This record gives sequence, C-alpha cells and structure tokens, in this order.
Amino acid sequence: SQKIEQNSEALNIQEGKTATLTCNYTNYSPAYLQWYRQDPGRGPVFLLLIRENEKEKRKERLKVTFDTTLKQSLFHITASQPADSATYLCASSDRGSYIPTFGRGTSLIVHP
Amino acid sequence: DAGVTQSPTHLIKTRGQQVTLRCSPKSGHDTVSWYQQALGQGPQFIFQYYEEEERQRGNFPDRFSGHQFPNYSSELNVNALLLGDSALYLCASSSDTGTARGYTFGSGTRLTVV
Repeated sequence: SQKIEQNSEALNIQEGKTATLTCNYTNYSPAYLQWYRQDPGRGPVFLLLIRENEKEKRKERLKVTFDTTLKQSLFHITASQPADSATYLCASSDRGSYIPTFGRGTSLIVHP
Repeated sequence: DAGVTQSPTHLIKTRGQQVTLRCSPKSGHDTVSWYQQALGQGPQFIFQYYEEEERQRGNFPDRFSGHQFPNYSSELNVNALLLGDSALYLCASSSDTGTARGYTFGSGTRLTVV
C-alpha cells in the first residue's frame, strides 16, 4: 500500500538558519506533493503544491523540491524565525485518486 | 471572507453514545472532506462529499457516516462511540479535487470519549 513518511523527530534550529524537512514516499508514484503547516490545536494550512514535472517551487522564504528518482520531497524555510515553529505535513495521492494521504508531520522548533 | 467553520470546538461523550459534528465550507467551495487526526499523527481520510453524495471513502467502519446539504455544509456522524474515536476531527473544503490549490481546513472539533 502507498506510504508517505516524514521524520518523526523534531527539528531544532537556530533563528536565521535554513530548515530542511524531508518527505519520502513508497509503493506509488504521486502526480503531486502538497505541504501544509499545522499549529497546535488548529487545522493544517496549505502552503505549496509541486507537481511531478516540476523540480522546484518557491514562495517567499519557502522552497519545495520533488525528486522522483529518490522518491522524496524536501521542504526548505530560509532565514527561519521563531514564528515558523510548527508541525509541517506533506501529503500526496496516487494517480487515479485525488484524495491526499498525509504524513504524520515533522515538528520544527526555531530557537531565538 | 470566512474560512471553514466547524462546530462544536470541543466535545466530551461517553462510550456507546452518538455524536454529530458540523462543518460549513469556505465560500465558493463545493467539496467537503472529513479527516480524523489522533495525537501525534497525520490526518486520516474518512470520506469526501460532493453534490450531496459521498464521492470517496477511507478505511473507516460504517459507524462513521456523513451528509452534505444543498448549501454545501456537511455533518459527520459517529455511532457507538469507542475510546479510540477520541481525536481531532477536521473538515476540509475545496472548489475542485484539491490538487491545484490544496484544501482549506477548519480548526477542528476535539472529541473526547470517556
């Protein structure tokens, strides 16, 4: 069955550094990957979508890459700020299904 | 512009009881999806409604049922509650399949079963 995996360990970084989060998928070939931000007790907020034919997507301080060979997406936040501290979820679906499956998320903690 | 509205925000129920959760989608959205999120886990897909019909369903028992109304709002019903049903229930809306612009989520209903 299709699996989407994110590092369950929290990522701790210093303010101003670049945070890099990883999303790996197995047993399927997604047509796209989505990234969401979730704060405690709140619903996820959509950030970016990258399609399989796109290597990289940027939005302000955010950058997402999609490597179909490695079956991996990387999510970067440059010049990180304490306000970026949250859980980041990746989601995708197999071809023929448009219902995204979510990873468990990676917690990012940015220290001042 | 109101986003997705869910009610109630918190709920405590006893095992065996039934519960109804409500969702109003973002203005302009016609598709509603429901997700269950246990603590420390990612959201798990329950089902999706479009044009008042269940379009797709995840791996959840029949105790979980839903409905979509002509105004696109939706309800999630859970019968015979189990302790394991305790979770954050999220409603997400979209104007298409959600693959282009992602889903807009509500803040969720925190259900505690005791």
